[in-house]
Amino acid sequence: KAGVTQTPRYLIKTRGQQVTLSCSPISGHRSVSWYQQTPGQGLQFLFEYFSETQRNKGNFPGRFSGRQFSNSRSEMNVSTLELGDSALYLCASSLAVSVGTEAFFGQGTRLTVV
Amino acid sequence: GESVGLHLPTLSVQEGDNSIINCAYSNSASDYFIWYKQESGKGPQFIIDIRSNMDKRQGQRVTVLLNKTVKHLSLQIAATQPGDSAVYFCAERKRQLTFGSGTQLTVLP
Repeated sequence: KAGVTQTPRYLIKTRGQQVTLSCSPISGHRSVSWYQQTPGQGLQFLFEYFSETQRNKGNFPGRFSGRQFSNSRSEMNVSTLELGDSALYLCASSLAVSVGTEAFFGQGTRLTVV
Repeated sequence: GESVGLHLPTLSVQEGDNSIINCAYSNSASDYFIWYKQESGKGPQFIIDIRSNMDKRQGQRVTVLLNKTVKHLSLQIAATQPGDSAVYFCAERKRQLTFGSGTQLTVLP
């Protein structure tokens, strides 16, 4: 069965612009989480969605937002991009949000802000 | 605050030797831990998990040990192979996954 698919794989944007990243979870998975990975901060949790509802949110500014559609696909949006937003953005899907549920990651979207 | 961390940022081992990657956590209420492997250009890949009611769990060539007394977690890789070269993360799953800083494992020929 197909894994988690993230698009696009690479993206270059200019400061001040906004960007939308997409994540298609594994078929049947209803939970999608987003993470930001940078060399300095490591992997940091952004937010988690389940059945189109945000269930949990990390400590990121309001410029970072997301949503989930009825087919479980998810998008995250970053507005007013800053140089520090350059990172690998990872999406993970799982069957549910409960502890003990294995999360499967996509290959990520590499965002570069110039 | 609550966190998980790793002891060493890098580890080099000879091919065929066993590798041990360590991780410490601070929250004594943590009850589910996962080890992930991340190869260059890829997302983290699940290796093995363990619940707090267990001390040890074995997979194929990997063993995770949990010492709740000292809040320590380790991943042992038997007969390390070149394909094991990657960054290894321990993570704690409560409401979300909280990752440690990662250990870069390099397998030497």
